[in-house]
Amino acid sequence: EVQLVESGGGVVRPGGSLRLSCAASGFTFDDHGMSWVRQVPGKGLEWVSGINWNGVSTGYADSVKGRFTISRDNAKNSLSLQMNSLRAEDTALYHCAREVSTGWAYYSDHWGQGTLVTVSS
Amino acid sequence: EIVLTQSPGTLSLSPGERATLSCRASQSVSNNYLAWYQQKPGQAPRLVIYGASSRATGIPERFSGGGSGTDFTLSINRLEPEDCAVYYCQQYGSSRRTFGPGTKVDIK
Repeated sequence: EVQLVESGGGVVRPGGSLRLSCAASGFTFDDHGMSWVRQVPGKGLEWVSGINWNGVSTGYADSVKGRFTISRDNAKNSLSLQMNSLRAEDTALYHCAREVSTGWAYYSDHWGQGTLVTVSS
Repeated sequence: EIVLTQSPGTLSLSPGERATLSCRASQSVSNNYLAWYQQKPGQAPRLVIYGASSRATGIPERFSGGGSGTDFTLSINRLEPEDCAVYYCQQYGSSRRTFGPGTKVDIK
């Protein structure tokens, strides 16, 4: 069974940093790209960042580019998101998701329950 | 960036009825790379449809996706109480993947 468990969320002041982690199990981790998607409680979904199977190719939403960095450790079956210069509008539930490749495009087929990030003074 | 618009905002139907959800894109979705996700309160999203019309593993045959280009639909035949959820469409045919705002399906 595919399992994705996020951790690292919490309350941080504007301008601060936080590092999210996602522990993956139940599948061959380095067979898949991975991504982060966030959701303001009670609101819709926003794709944040994605990374291919070996970490060479990454992508970011314009709203986080230059502030967030996605990375992975295939030896530890782990995905990370380093978030710097956090803003109030980054407050959300952050989901880790497994990606399926269709060649050059990716969609998410399994999601974790998420970890809550609150940016507030 | 491709903007997705979903309609209606809320759909209230009785068990056994058919639900038709719409997702319209501001420009053509490359290769019809469009997915639908179901999200129930307090749960993570669940993949329902990918590639506009392919059902994900474990999804009942009552769910079907269709459409191409800029207009897509998700149909749910013979609604069951467990189908009560918010349904989001997402395009993944461009580097900036985007989601629609969601359609809430209520079962009367």
